[in-house]
Amino acid sequence: QSVLTQPPSLSAAPGQRVTISCSGSTSNIGSNYVSWYQQLPGTAPQLLIYDNHKRPSEISDRFSASKSGTSATLGITGLRTGDDGDYYCATWDRSLNVVVFGGGTKLTVL
Amino acid sequence: QVRLVESGGGSVKTGGSLKLSCAVSGFTFTDYYMAWVRQAPGKGLQWVSYISHTGAYTNYADSVKGRFTISRDSAETSLSLQMNSLTTEDTGVYFCARGGVYYDSSAYFLFTSWGQGTLVSVSS
Repeated sequence: QSVLTQPPSLSAAPGQRVTISCSGSTSNIGSNYVSWYQQLPGTAPQLLIYDNHKRPSEISDRFSASKSGTSATLGITGLRTGDDGDYYCATWDRSLNVVVFGGGTKLTVL
Repeated sequence: QVRLVESGGGSVKTGGSLKLSCAVSGFTFTDYYMAWVRQAPGKGLQWVSYISHTGAYTNYADSVKGRFTISRDSAETSLSLQMNSLTTEDTGVYFCARGGVYYDSSAYFLFTSWGQGTLVSVSS
């Protein structure tokens, strides 16, 4: 059971927009920056979002994110079949004194 | 170009040891926190350990505390993970990850670049 809760799976059609939620508590999301990672099938994870909403320069602006209270949300617009994969949120938990990941959300674009 | 290349994975019996290494290039190694993150077969990501840019500070997941040791060699620009008393629960792909730059408040829980991973298989 992950400290950060994500929906296990989501599906959407190409071209549509999808949002992935990440729910935590005051000891993690509520008090620290959130980052998001994309892991395409058979590959290593890649940083998508850091400091709640910032994108590395190489990441498409189709990806966006926000944080409110103890929850964070990743948004993906203009879905493509190449976006198929797993998405993870992560942050620091100051009570547990560890880095925590969400359980991951498997996105299917069909 | 940032590059992280892991090595040292393999098959081992329960109670055995392995040492993972990660050779890095393309950035100023001594400016960044470094970490290990693992992924059990078919499962999600699990943080294992981080080390500060100077090596002065380390932290571990409870599941590996006292069994794993993270270290870094600035001269060799490499990161290591010594894993002892391995159990079947340690099986998975181990990723070397670059953290944030040392002056960032999120340096120790941000993973800015990843290696391709090395597989560790522990059997009874």
